[in-house]
Amino acid sequence: ETGVTQSPTHLIKTRGQQVTLRCSSQSGHNTVSWYQQALGQGPQFIFQYYREEENGRGNFPPRFSGLQFPNYSSELNVNALELDDSALYLCASSSPLSEGGVETQYFGPGTRLLVL
Amino acid sequence: AQSVSQHNHHVILSEAASLELGCNYSYGGTVNLFWYVQYPGQHLQLLLKYFSGDPLVKGIKGFEAEFIKSKFSFNLRKPSVQWSDTAEYFCAVFAGNNRKLIWGLGTSLAVNP
Repeated sequence: ETGVTQSPTHLIKTRGQQVTLRCSSQSGHNTVSWYQQALGQGPQFIFQYYREEENGRGNFPPRFSGLQFPNYSSELNVNALELDDSALYLCASSSPLSEGGVETQYFGPGTRLLVL
Repeated sequence: AQSVSQHNHHVILSEAASLELGCNYSYGGTVNLFWYVQYPGQHLQLLLKYFSGDPLVKGIKGFEAEFIKSKFSFNLRKPSVQWSDTAEYFCAVFAGNNRKLIWGLGTSLAVNP
């Protein structure tokens, strides 16, 4: 176990709805990254938060947004859900300062989202 | 654009066979390389990583990987696989100042007892 937790574990939504996914980072980690993993694919980087600021973003539309809180936990919000948003959403925490600026990311179990 | 390719999508082996999973990346500068494993029903777990120094790195559960800079490769190896190694294996790369981890599509390994 990595100490990274995510909630909920599973979620079913309908097209057009909004969803919020949550992540608690491992103790001592100040960076949270979010990934989308479609079936049979590798994870795709959505964005990263470092000390409550967005610190990099992948090729995802603005309807994917996030927050990081002072305790370094994080939320991923997706508005106007589409069928293609169905995937496993992974959260990873890391602490760049502990490894000279290079990150080892530790993953949570993920939230499986199904959009109908 | 930076990319990671894993050569084998599906691999089937018998127990005690040797394993080598290929990983190549496209970036000419400094890279940091990772192999992650995802056992059935479990979350992604770090297997091993290369940051600098000895290009032959050893990870958990008897796995090792060799970074060959001239070939842009970071292949994963294990001399003798076990049934419990059945899992999905992902190669991932941090390239340069890019803050995102770039992933391969994964290799599904099935080990028959």
